[in-house]
Amino acid sequence: AQTVTQSQPEMSVQEAETVTLSCTYDTSESNYYLFWYKQPPSRQMILVIRQEAYKQQNATENRFSVNFQKAAKSFSLKISDSQLGDTAMYFCAFSVGNGAQKLVFGQGTRLTINP
Amino acid sequence: GAVVSQHPSRVICKSGTSVKIECRSLDFQATTMFWYRQFPKQSLMLMATSNEGSKATYEQGVEKDKFLINHASLTLSTLTVTSAHPEDSSFYICSANPLGTSGRGPSYNEQFFGPGTRLTVL
Repeated sequence: AQTVTQSQPEMSVQEAETVTLSCTYDTSESNYYLFWYKQPPSRQMILVIRQEAYKQQNATENRFSVNFQKAAKSFSLKISDSQLGDTAMYFCAFSVGNGAQKLVFGQGTRLTINP
Repeated sequence: GAVVSQHPSRVICKSGTSVKIECRSLDFQATTMFWYRQFPKQSLMLMATSNEGSKATYEQGVEKDKFLINHASLTLSTLTVTSAHPEDSSFYICSANPLGTSGRGPSYNEQFFGPGTRLTVL
């Protein structure tokens, strides 16, 4: 069975600081995708960043980057120059194979950015 | 692009009644949609995979006779909570994976989420 674990239920940092959210996963598959989703108070799920397992290069989207360690099955999210609007629940997620595949979510990390 | 809508956004009903929630992909077609349930301060739990033109695939522990799913077109999936009870009160979220006509191939794997429906059963 595929599982995703986020070991940090809550985190809090000051605005402009850098914060790293942890995620580990377990799978025996070789073709899979990893995602970080953000859920602000509106509860709308927003894709932050995605990583294909076959790519060695870590994905980057503006202030968001990942540290993908395939052998360790680790997929952490780094937010640089954090902003008040980054306050949200962050979910790490995983899907196997190509096409329309179901997502398996971690427990989530509640991130608060303080002014 | 890639917008998914849900209707209604909130619904309150009496115990024993049935409630239908619609999930629409507004600017793309989706042969597959997903239904999730989220309790307060918890993660999303997949309930079922909705397949256009065929029966839905339910996750273990989800009662298919209680949570009826119909995916009659490439842009619409519905979830009907039958004989709802207070324990069914939750936040229901759908997602859709654009394939084919969106220009993105099957390897893209991105799902787009609806804004969710808050169901309260009294």
